[in-house]
Amino acid sequence: KNEVEQSPQNLTAQEGEFITINCSYSVGISALHWLQQHPGGGIVSLFMLSSGKKKHGRLIATINIQEKHSSLHITASHPRDSAVYICAVRPSENYGGSQGNLIFGKGTKLSVKP
Amino acid sequence: DAGVTQSPTHLIKTRGQQVTLRCSPKSGHDTVSWYQQALGQGPQFIFQYYEEEERQRGNFPDRFSGHQFPNYSSELNVNALLLGDSALYLCASSPPLGPEHYEQYFGPGTRLTVT
Repeated sequence: KNEVEQSPQNLTAQEGEFITINCSYSVGISALHWLQQHPGGGIVSLFMLSSGKKKHGRLIATINIQEKHSSLHITASHPRDSAVYICAVRPSENYGGSQGNLIFGKGTKLSVKP
Repeated sequence: DAGVTQSPTHLIKTRGQQVTLRCSPKSGHDTVSWYQQALGQGPQFIFQYYEEEERQRGNFPDRFSGHQFPNYSSELNVNALLLGDSALYLCASSPPLGPEHYEQYFGPGTRLTVT
């Protein structure tokens, strides 16, 4: 079983819809990252969070440390949001964590239709 | 600020050959991490370099080696290439200790194809 699980694997939405992508993890963590990857490969960091909630424009990320679960929400989705969204966790020290050792989920491929 | 840059963009090699990939970190960053991303999978951590030394390593064989130079740029070397080494290789850099120490900035990646 992967240490980081994302759902759904694929998601198709109509422009304007509210989108939720979920991430569950099984290790203790010091931080969780949400990343965006466009075709061609480049990865952009959207959020890094260790508790609570963060908002940036139409994107909202939440995390529940006790339940080992995080969600990424996109409000008023747009075709330019189409990308792969990846959840990655940084294991805490007692799980062998360090600055570099991110564990990634397989990603959620989002397609937003006009 | 050019951000994290990687070269080359694409590369085709033959099984058994050796390859060197290069990464220049974002200005002001001193730590470089390398990841391998197979098609349809999330990235896997290869290793991390700090102060010209390998600080941590993931579950990759010794065929994968690296180097960091005094200007913080880094190389990833893969010897005796296998078909399974075909992947996107991502480099990420991080700033020195501080509020953003755990943030990682990714480069565009090098797409390696082994035939």
